[in-house]
Amino acid sequence: DVKVTQSSRYLVKRTGEKVFLECVQDMDHENMFWYRQDPGLGLRLIYFSYDVKMKEKGDIPEGYSVSREKKERFSLILESASTNQTSMYLCASRLPSTGAMFFGPGTRLTVL
Amino acid sequence: GNSVTQMEGPVTLSEEAFLTINCTYTATGYPSLFWYVQYPGEGLQLLLKATKADDKGSNKGFEATYRKETTSFHLEKGSVQVSDSAVYFCALSPGTASKLTFGTGTRLQVTL
Repeated sequence: DVKVTQSSRYLVKRTGEKVFLECVQDMDHENMFWYRQDPGLGLRLIYFSYDVKMKEKGDIPEGYSVSREKKERFSLILESASTNQTSMYLCASRLPSTGAMFFGPGTRLTVL
Repeated sequence: GNSVTQMEGPVTLSEEAFLTINCTYTATGYPSLFWYVQYPGEGLQLLLKATKADDKGSNKGFEATYRKETTSFHLEKGSVQVSDSAVYFCALSPGTASKLTFGTGTRLQVTL
């Protein structure tokens, strides 16, 4: 089974802090994604990466950046956390030939 | 652009009742369609998928048929269980290597 792990299940940070959310997948998938999930809004795509060193903006990239130095790891960075970035963050990976995505358990981030 | 519309929840059913969660989509061409399920405290899991018109995806007693003429992919189950309580997301992808567009999710609550 594909396994996608995220570094923390729960995280509390202060406004202005730099925040790193880590995601690791163990099935050699080329594609990786970061979503945020908010009540009533569903899942919104922040950034995605089709392969190592590659990154593409999703629908809501403002206030975020990403890093993909190795195929298995995709990091989401909040350069200066703000309260409106309080959310559930979901990482996913995908083998392009199948189209199906595999999600991690999520990180619930609270910014005070 | 692409979009997915799901019926608003929550949907509350008694155990062994019949379930339908409506999903319609807007997309050009022939997208792949997916249903994902999110159990409390967990990430999303792929439930079923269909990649072309008239295909029926099925898994764990759930079914959905890709209807091109009505641009729909409604999720059904003949007899729900308490363990089916979760949030269900409909999603589409224009191609297997393209990013997914999700609906806002429908919460299902099954009671004894």
